[in-house]
Amino acid sequence: GAGVSQSPRYKVTKRGQDVALRCDPISGHVSLYWYRQALGQGPEFLTYFNYEAQQDKSGLPNDRFSAERPEGSISTLTIQRTEQRDSAMYRCASRGDRANTEAFFGQGTRLTVV
Amino acid sequence: GQQVMQIPQYQHVQEGEDFTTYCNSSTTLSNIQWYKQRPGGHPVFLIQLVKSGEVKKQKRLTFQFGEAKKNSSLHITATQTTDVGTYFCAGQGGSEKLVFGKGTKLTVNP
Repeated sequence: GAGVSQSPRYKVTKRGQDVALRCDPISGHVSLYWYRQALGQGPEFLTYFNYEAQQDKSGLPNDRFSAERPEGSISTLTIQRTEQRDSAMYRCASRGDRANTEAFFGQGTRLTVV
Repeated sequence: GQQVMQIPQYQHVQEGEDFTTYCNSSTTLSNIQWYKQRPGGHPVFLIQLVKSGEVKKQKRLTFQFGEAKKNSSLHITATQTTDVGTYFCAGQGGSEKLVFGKGTKLTVNP
């Protein structure tokens, strides 16, 4: 596609439910990143992929968070048993090359856990 | 792990005044990138610096990368209301992991 697409744009879920956030990167982009951004804060690194391989998941807060990119394109970030503290903007970004290129961000998914 | 600190957190200026934000990494970087996020928007890439001591200019914006490749700055000359937003630095170390600072929110009084 023309840009990085994330869905849904907004998600309200009840505490304890599982949610799946989707990211469709720019076609052909090798690297895909997931960030979490609280209001007034910078993007907090969660994890990233090169192709289908998860390279670094050191930013995932706990084992309720997981991500996959099975075919090296679309990625899903899953949060199990959501808690109120998980409420945030979740952003996906993709990069065309593995290094030294700009990251293109999607519009994000605003997650609210009630 | 790699950390990127950015100061100040907020900066309020009168239109026409200059603005500078500073970024400092806990580790040596292979490159540093700068992004701008407008209110309600997403981060948008401005520039990347790779070489030690590198200086790049984009119109009224001047970007510097420190000699030790651990710090960077963004300077805006004669701010305009269109410069309003939050400016983030993002550092890349030995891998493709891109770590962002907390940003400097710039407001400009017309």
